[in-house]
Amino acid sequence: SQKIEQNSEALNIQEGKTATLTCNYTNYSPAYLQWYRQDPGRGPVFLLLIRENEKEKRKERLKVTFDTTLKQSLFHITASQPADSATYLCAPVKAAGNKLTFGGGTRVLVKP
Amino acid sequence: DAGVIQSPRHEVTEMGQEVTLRCKPISGHNSLFWYRQTMMRGLELLIYFNNNVPIDDSGMPEDRFSAKMPNASFSTLKIQPSEPRDSAVYFCASGIQGATGELFFGEGSRLTVL
Repeated sequence: SQKIEQNSEALNIQEGKTATLTCNYTNYSPAYLQWYRQDPGRGPVFLLLIRENEKEKRKERLKVTFDTTLKQSLFHITASQPADSATYLCAPVKAAGNKLTFGGGTRVLVKP
Repeated sequence: DAGVIQSPRHEVTEMGQEVTLRCKPISGHNSLFWYRQTMMRGLELLIYFNNNVPIDDSGMPEDRFSAKMPNASFSTLKIQPSEPRDSAVYFCASGIQGATGELFFGEGSRLTVL
């Protein structure tokens, strides 16, 4: 069956450092992969999308990589700030218009 | 645009009662998703619609759950009868089918069944 795995342990990081989150998937051949951010008591918010033919994507202090051989995406927050503290969710997607299934999310806590 | 609007934001009810959650998607979006989120199970997809038609309801837990989308601007998720294990935050999200699938989520409906 299809599985999406994210590190369930919270990631505690010092302000200014780079946070790296992992998303692994099995029995999937996603056309692209999305990352969302969720703050407590709020709905998830879309951050970034990376396509299967893209190795890397950047948006401001965020960087996402996508390795279809390893079946893995890495999500980096560089120069992290306390405001980056949130839960980050990944969602590999098989094709446009197809259903979106999320990993369990990784909570990030950036300490000043 | 006001975004995806869900109601109620909070609902407390007793076991056995009927619960109806409502969602208004973003105008122009033709895909609508219902999710349930708990600490134990994370964000689970219950059902999704394309152009008001249910496409995949394999995530609906059991017959007590039903979802409808009578038109492009309104959807409901109904639980009848409700049970304590249904306590969760229910999210509605909308998007554009055929695009890259980015979803816009509502703020959620927090359901507590006593």
